Amino acid sequence: EVQLVESGGDLVQPGGSLKLSCSASGFTFTVSTMHWVRQASGKGLEWIGQIGIKTNNYPTIYGASMKGKFTISRDDSRNTVYLHMNSLKTDDTARYYCKVWLGELASDYWGQGALVTVSS
Amino acid sequence: QSALTQTASVSGSPGQSITISCTGSSSDVGGYNSVSWYQLHPDKAPKLIIYDVTKRPSGVSNHFSGSKSGNTASLTISGLQAEDEADYYCCSYTSSSTWVFGGGTKLTVL
Repeated sequence: EVQLVESGGDLVQPGGSLKLSCSASGFTFTVSTMHWVRQASGKGLEWIGQIGIKTNNYPTIYGASMKGKFTISRDDSRNTVYLHMNSLKTDDTARYYCKVWLGELASDYWGQGALVTVSS
Repeated sequence: QSALTQTASVSGSPGQSITISCTGSSSDVGGYNSVSWYQLHPDKAPKLIIYDVTKRPSGVSNHFSGSKSGNTASLTISGLQAEDEADYYCCSYTSSSTWVFGGGTKLTVL
């Protein structure tokens, strides 16, 4: 069974930093491009970015408005992808999801999300 | 990359059909057959219901269907059911090798 489990969500002060983790199981993590998406309360989905696989030297791509604030990394030995967030603002308060598209299953899979609250 | 444009809300009665549109540009929706649609229920993770414009993942009801004309993609839900009441988002691949979501459409089943 494919599972994605995010962790690390927390209350953080404006200007602070946070690192989210997404632990994956049930599929071949090392050959899968991983994505991060967020949804603020009452707002729409926003694609944050993605990280590719080792054979391509782990390329990362970010949404235009996401560059500079977010950094995505992965540890294939732990089947885990990370989202590093810095200079957080109240607007960054959202639920953050990791997701993966699995072509062999012709579907994508999402975690349950990690809640990040930016507030003083 | 601006969000794709979706009607904010749509409604229909049980048994009716509704269509939700998603308008982008030739740099996203119009340029690629990589448009997907997601269904969001409160406090649940998004569920993929259409990918590659017209394809349905295994297990997704065939009363969901997708299409595209030019820079506009559409999701049609036929034979509306109460459980279809949810938020729906389109998503497209872009010429910048990124992905962009629509602003979302709230479907109300009357």
